[in-house]
Amino acid sequence: AQTVTQSQPEMSVQEAETVTLSCTYDTSESNYYLFWYKQPPSRQMILVIRQEAYKQQNATENRFSVNFQKAAKSFSLKISDSQLGDTAMYFCAFMKGEETSGSRLTFGEGTQLTVNP
Amino acid sequence: GAVVSQHPSWVICKSGTSVKIECRSLDFQATTMFWYRQFPKQSLMLMATSNEGSKATYEQGVEKDKFLINHASLTLSTLTVTSAHPEDSSFYICSATGHQSSYNEQFFGPGTRLTVL
Repeated sequence: AQTVTQSQPEMSVQEAETVTLSCTYDTSESNYYLFWYKQPPSRQMILVIRQEAYKQQNATENRFSVNFQKAAKSFSLKISDSQLGDTAMYFCAFMKGEETSGSRLTFGEGTQLTVNP
Repeated sequence: GAVVSQHPSWVICKSGTSVKIECRSLDFQATTMFWYRQFPKQSLMLMATSNEGSKATYEQGVEKDKFLINHASLTLSTLTVTSAHPEDSSFYICSATGHQSSYNEQFFGPGTRLTVL
């Protein structure tokens, strides 16, 4: 079974600064995907960024980037130039790379990020 | 991106009654749908996985007779909370996946807040 651990229940950052959220996972799978989801106060789950395990290059989406350390099973999210709209709960998630459709997600406990003006 | 809707967005019911929550994929065929439960400030807990035309697969500890799931078509899955009690009060989220991408991305509905009095 897979486990995902987020050791920071809460974090805060000043607007325009950079913040890094931590995530570690445990798996025996060789083919998998890692995700960061954002859940703002509206509670709508929003995909922030995705990383394929077979890719060595770290994924980047505008102000969001990851540091994927496969050997250490670490997958941190860096948010640059933080904005007030980044205030949300952030979940790290794991998905096995099954070929059949409908692969389940395993979520971490979440990190509540607050961006202060 | 693919859109998933849920109805109702919130519902209040009396203890002992049953409540049905609908999850629809609006612009794609969802071969698999997932139902999650989320308590305040906690992570998403997978309740069950449903594939179109077959019985749902429930996670350990989830009462299948209490949480009835039907996935009768490629665009609709329903969750019925039978004989609801106050402890069933929670936020219920569905997600859906089809063959839109190589890694079976899950698209999330906006959630349904259930309050049982």
